[in-house]
Amino acid sequence: QVQLQQSGPGLVKPSQTLSLTCVISGDSVSSNSVVWSWIRQSPSRGLEWLGRTYYRSKWYNDYAVSVKSRITINPDTSKNQFSLHLNSVTPEDTAVYYCARVLNPYTSSSRFDPWGQGTLVTVSS
Amino acid sequence: DIQMTQSPSSLSASVGDRVTITCRASQSISNYLNWYQQKPGKAPKLLIYVASSLQSGVPSRFSGSGSGTDFTLTIGSLQPEDFATYYCQQSYMTPQTFGQGTTVEIK
Repeated sequence: QVQLQQSGPGLVKPSQTLSLTCVISGDSVSSNSVVWSWIRQSPSRGLEWLGRTYYRSKWYNDYAVSVKSRITINPDTSKNQFSLHLNSVTPEDTAVYYCARVLNPYTSSSRFDPWGQGTLVTVSS
Repeated sequence: DIQMTQSPSSLSASVGDRVTITCRASQSISNYLNWYQQKPGKAPKLLIYVASSLQSGVPSRFSGSGSGTDFTLTIGSLQPEDFATYYCQQSYMTPQTFGQGTTVEIK
């Protein structure tokens, strides 16, 4: 059974960097058949896909246009985890952040499963 | 981006009721459509994928249908544990996008 365990601070000051980690058990961050994503949820924006990382002989990343200039998603094969870094945060980045695995990407059966437990990150001074 | 619109935004129903939630995509997405259930303080949980396939372990009272732009999630006989918020999500195109959610409340 695949499980994703998130960690990271719940409070970040404006203009600083939000950093979260997602530890994978039961699968590999280097798997060439899945994708690893970050999603956030807020009352104003709903569920919003932020970006992904995946390995297909080499590492690839894709990011949402809304955060593309501020986001980095990094895999860590030694710890079987991946991380989210979002810099220059503002109060609008306050949200619950989730990591998730994408099964069968690029097919009709592509879906997010499972999800991490979620981390509420508040951007405030 | 593909816009996903759910209706209604919320509904009140009783245990045993048949409940139907609709999701409409702003363009055709074939059957690249998933449904999730979310309870307060928890992560979304996959219910249905590829429009009508039931995720392992999900009760058979949940079903999905549709293709193209119009999709439906049906709960055949509402149970107490089904009171939650439901989201549709398209996987046809990046960025994957979600509906705004439908909250099913106790009548």
